[in-house]
Amino acid sequence: QKEVEQDPGPLSVPEGAIVSLNCTYSNSAFQYFMWYRQYSRKGPELLMYTYSSGNKEDGRFTAQVDKSSKYISLFIRDSQPSDSATYLCAMSARFYSSASKIIFGSGTRLSIRP
Amino acid sequence: NAGVTQTPKFQVLKTGQSMTLQCAQDMNHEYMSWYRQDPGMGLRLIHYSVGAGITDQGEVPNGYNVSRSTTEDFPLRLLSAAPSQTSVYFCASSYSVREGEKLFFGSGTQLSVL
Repeated sequence: QKEVEQDPGPLSVPEGAIVSLNCTYSNSAFQYFMWYRQYSRKGPELLMYTYSSGNKEDGRFTAQVDKSSKYISLFIRDSQPSDSATYLCAMSARFYSSASKIIFGSGTRLSIRP
Repeated sequence: NAGVTQTPKFQVLKTGQSMTLQCAQDMNHEYMSWYRQDPGMGLRLIHYSVGAGITDQGEVPNGYNVSRSTTEDFPLRLLSAAPSQTSVYFCASSYSVREGEKLFFGSGTQLSVL
């Protein structure tokens, strides 16, 4: 079983819809949760960064962490064609004796139809 | 600022050949790392460095070598290329080990080994 599970999609929604992207994980030691966005033939870019449980909002994006269920979500409101990309969840349990070890999901491909 | 620069963008090798993937960052970042991205497997850490002169192995280090003689540069060497090393390679950096999850990625090198 993978430490982080992410539905690969593809997910196709009409412009303006609310998008929900999700990941589940098995390691209860994870404390830091991230969402990276990756456009085709580009490197990932950090979109959201959260620590522990709760919600974080940044413009049209909301990241949600439920540690009791080992489940994280990314919501995109008023989705735009420019949001079409692959979204990678990532998480880590930081140990100061070594560099943080980040586990990435395999990514969900999202397409927003005009 | 250029950010993280990777060269080359594309490379084709024959089995047994060696080559070096170049990575440079101009953000004075302490932490640098190399990942490979394969379909359905997410990003996997190959090697990382927490500062000039300090390197360590990640999850999939076999067949790869790194060095970090300056803060800016972190080249990845393939010693004897194998078809299993066909992948997309990303170099990433972050300001410090303590914020190792906030990664800045290069645009990637697509490598094919025949």
